[in-house]
Amino acid sequence: LAKTTQPISMDSYEGQEVNITCSHNNIATNDYITWYQQFPSQGPRFIIQGYKTKVTNEVASLFIPADRKSSTLSLPRVSLSDTAVYYCLVGDFLSGNTPLVFGKGTRLSVIA
Amino acid sequence: DTAVSQTPKYLVTQMGNDKSIKCEQNLGHDTMYWYKQDSKKFLKIMFSYNNKELIINETVPNRFSPKSPDKAHLNLHINSLELGDSAVYFCASSGTVNTEAFFGQGTRLTVV
Repeated sequence: LAKTTQPISMDSYEGQEVNITCSHNNIATNDYITWYQQFPSQGPRFIIQGYKTKVTNEVASLFIPADRKSSTLSLPRVSLSDTAVYYCLVGDFLSGNTPLVFGKGTRLSVIA
Repeated sequence: DTAVSQTPKYLVTQMGNDKSIKCEQNLGHDTMYWYKQDSKKFLKIMFSYNNKELIINETVPNRFSPKSPDKAHLNLHINSLELGDSAVYFCASSGTVNTEAFFGQGTRLTVV
């Protein structure tokens, strides 16, 4: 499994765009990048997954440069309810045999 | 209708006791997991079951044993509980292609 590195914590004001970057220098050819969100006292929730370039859904965007050695989760106009821990996972998830191993994540605090 | 459900939500028990946590998923997924999240909030994978076969067994004490009576259930049995077992335990499931995993609401285990 590719090792990932994320900032331990980030702070943001409401209404701002938040970008969380994850480094994964030893990403393999078949690896995908997946982000999960965990609110206090809840289990993690899938946010977005991508392989290259840009992926966007109703919650976030995921930017992946050509070398795929890093990725950036972008949350547009965050609100207080976006305060959570965000996890970046990298692995050959489409093979069906890659376990979901979580790192320490990034604790995002949104303040008014 | 809850996709992944765990019972009980809270469990308080004395050291030395044996307890079980049940997990059921109604998503038709092939893979189920157990995770432990301790007071430092680190989410550690414990077990993974794929089509009733254990495919991951992390270095957890053998006092912990997963039991899967069928594809929709993965129960966690814990023998001779210790203070250090106090944590939140999450069950999760994913399909053959791990594009998205669904987590239960967690079971907060307190050993006194």
